[in-house]
Amino acid sequence: DVKVTQSSRYLVKRTGEKVFLECVQDMDHENMFWYRQDPGLGLRLIYFSYDVKMKEKGDIPEGYSVSREKKERFSLILESASTNQTSMYLCASSLVRINSPLHFGNGTRLTVT
Amino acid sequence: AQSVTQLGSHVSVSEGALVLLRCNYSSSVPPYLFWYVQYPNQGLQLLLKYTTGATLVKGINGFEAEFKKSETSFHLTKPSAHMSDAAEYFCAVSAYTDKLIFGTGTRLQVFP
Repeated sequence: DVKVTQSSRYLVKRTGEKVFLECVQDMDHENMFWYRQDPGLGLRLIYFSYDVKMKEKGDIPEGYSVSREKKERFSLILESASTNQTSMYLCASSLVRINSPLHFGNGTRLTVT
Repeated sequence: AQSVTQLGSHVSVSEGALVLLRCNYSSSVPPYLFWYVQYPNQGLQLLLKYTTGATLVKGINGFEAEFKKSETSFHLTKPSAHMSDAAEYFCAVSAYTDKLIFGTGTRLQVFP
């Protein structure tokens, strides 16, 4: 079974801090994604990556960046955390097939104070 | 561009009753359609998907969905709700890309 592991379940950071959210998958998937989930808004795509060192902006990339130095690891970076980035962050991975399902981690609930 | 509309942010049913969660999509090309479920404090997991072929798709835990092109719908149903079905359900669409566009979700409550 595919396992997508997010390093932290809960995280509390202060405004202006640089925040790293880490995600690791163990099934050699090419694609990796970062979503944020907010009540009433569903899941919105922040960034995704088709391969090592490749990244593409999603629908809401502002205030975020990503890093993919190894195939299994995809990091989301908040350069200067703000309170409006308080949210649930979900990482997912998939094979590089058009209808390949996403496999999700359990999420990181980030609170910025 | 693709989009998904889930009608009803909350649905409540009694145990044993029919579950119907509505999803309408918009796509300029033939879509791929998905339903995901999220149990409390967990990530999303795939319930079922439609790609091509048979329009009635069966998924896990007794759920099924029917692709109706004329109505641009992909509603999720289960004949008899169980307490363990209480969760949030997301419909999603993609079209010739690896990107999924998600709906805003429907929270299902099941009462005894």
